[in-house]
Amino acid sequence: GQQVMQIPQYQHVQEGEDFTTYCNSSTTLSNIQWYKQRPGGHPVFLIQLVKSGEVKKQKRLTFQFGEAKKNSSLHITATQTTDVGTYFCAALWGGGTASKLTFGTGTRLQVTL
Amino acid sequence: DVKVTQSSRYLVKRTGEKVFLECVQDMDHENMFWYRQDPGLGLRLIYFSYDVKMKEKGDIPEGYSVSREKKERFSLILESASTNQTSMYLCASSHWVLGQGDFGPGTRLTVL
Repeated sequence: GQQVMQIPQYQHVQEGEDFTTYCNSSTTLSNIQWYKQRPGGHPVFLIQLVKSGEVKKQKRLTFQFGEAKKNSSLHITATQTTDVGTYFCAALWGGGTASKLTFGTGTRLQVTL
Repeated sequence: DVKVTQSSRYLVKRTGEKVFLECVQDMDHENMFWYRQDPGLGLRLIYFSYDVKMKEKGDIPEGYSVSREKKERFSLILESASTNQTSMYLCASSHWVLGQGDFGPGTRLTVL
């Protein structure tokens, strides 16, 4: 079926270390989105990638879309305690009006001092 | 700055009750979605709608139905609540071209 797999499920880092989460699909994606959910909160949209090989940056966050548009990654440089939360990738299937937005299982990031 | 609202933050119901979860968005979005979130399982899509009175099954529609009578409102219905439907329910909406999902705060439903 249409699904995206995300690894790792959980990562615990020391503040200042880097962090990466990966998203993989068995089928070609038209786009990939990334969300962050703080503890007790709801998912908040971070970014959308559409083009093959696309790389986008938001301060310490770097997002990549694979050349084959089947995988994506989110890399955080020098993590801070404010980065704590669960990061989800999501894929928009179908295109046009009847687009289905499905999510990966998420990677929970814990950052300690 | 209200965007997506859900009728309740917390809800406790008994097994067999009919449960209505309401979601309203004020961004004129075409697409609306209902997810449930359980530990270790991420967000699983229950139903989505791309227009008034239009609905499509998601990945786990069993035990649920939906209604979209107005563009801004999308309701999730549990016809006969069961304990395995205890979960966090999240509503989202998106513009059909831009695709970015805007989420409501969620409803934590407990079925006893």
